[in-house]
Amino acid sequence: DAGVTQSPTHLIKTRGQQVTLRCSPKSGHDTVSWYQQALGQGPQFIFQYYEEEERQRGNFPDRFSGHQFPNYSSELNVNALLLGDSALYLCASSLGGLAGYNEQFFGPGTRLTVL
Amino acid sequence: AQTVTQSQPEMSVQEAETVTLSCTYDTSENNYYLFWYKQPPSRQMILVIRQEAYKQQNATENRFSVNFQKAAKSFSLKISDSQLGDTAMYFCAFIRRSQGNLIFGKGTKLSVKP
Repeated sequence: DAGVTQSPTHLIKTRGQQVTLRCSPKSGHDTVSWYQQALGQGPQFIFQYYEEEERQRGNFPDRFSGHQFPNYSSELNVNALLLGDSALYLCASSLGGLAGYNEQFFGPGTRLTVL
Repeated sequence: AQTVTQSQPEMSVQEAETVTLSCTYDTSENNYYLFWYKQPPSRQMILVIRQEAYKQQNATENRFSVNFQKAAKSFSLKISDSQLGDTAMYFCAFIRRSQGNLIFGKGTKLSVKP
């Protein structure tokens, strides 16, 4: 049973570029949440997707957008990259949308470096 | 707004000994869940233990147990018989029952020394 997978593992971009990160949820899960983890910090919630819609959003600008596909996989897009967007991006999958009582399972993350 | 505070940036413990990591949180909610997550140097975050706020009994998972003090809004993690594989960042996290956003503390870096 595959857990949460993310691609790519590492990514280097320059300021102003756009990036797309991908996540496949754990088998049987229908909900994907994205988090940004800056170096030495705890993860910060970006948004959650359930039934192909953004259900909840954290305090991130519109440059951060996402999508969920019918197979429940998800993409995180970041436009107009800034140096401060350098971070580890974590995807977490769970069941049932806005259901805090259900465990979120995390992927290994994508390390984004913006030069 | 909910906040989670971990006041110990780094801790160390000798192998086989016991260590306690501290966490406090702030919320006006009654229906919520608390978690301790472990993030080893390989990065993948895994759940260590969870506590439902409506349960008075402290959660335990093998060598891991919590001391949940709801009135004081305190949620500490005790690791007994520490092992080298316990070396990791430990994050305390909070979530409301009908929300999707885990709120994390800044983490405690635990080193287990042989």
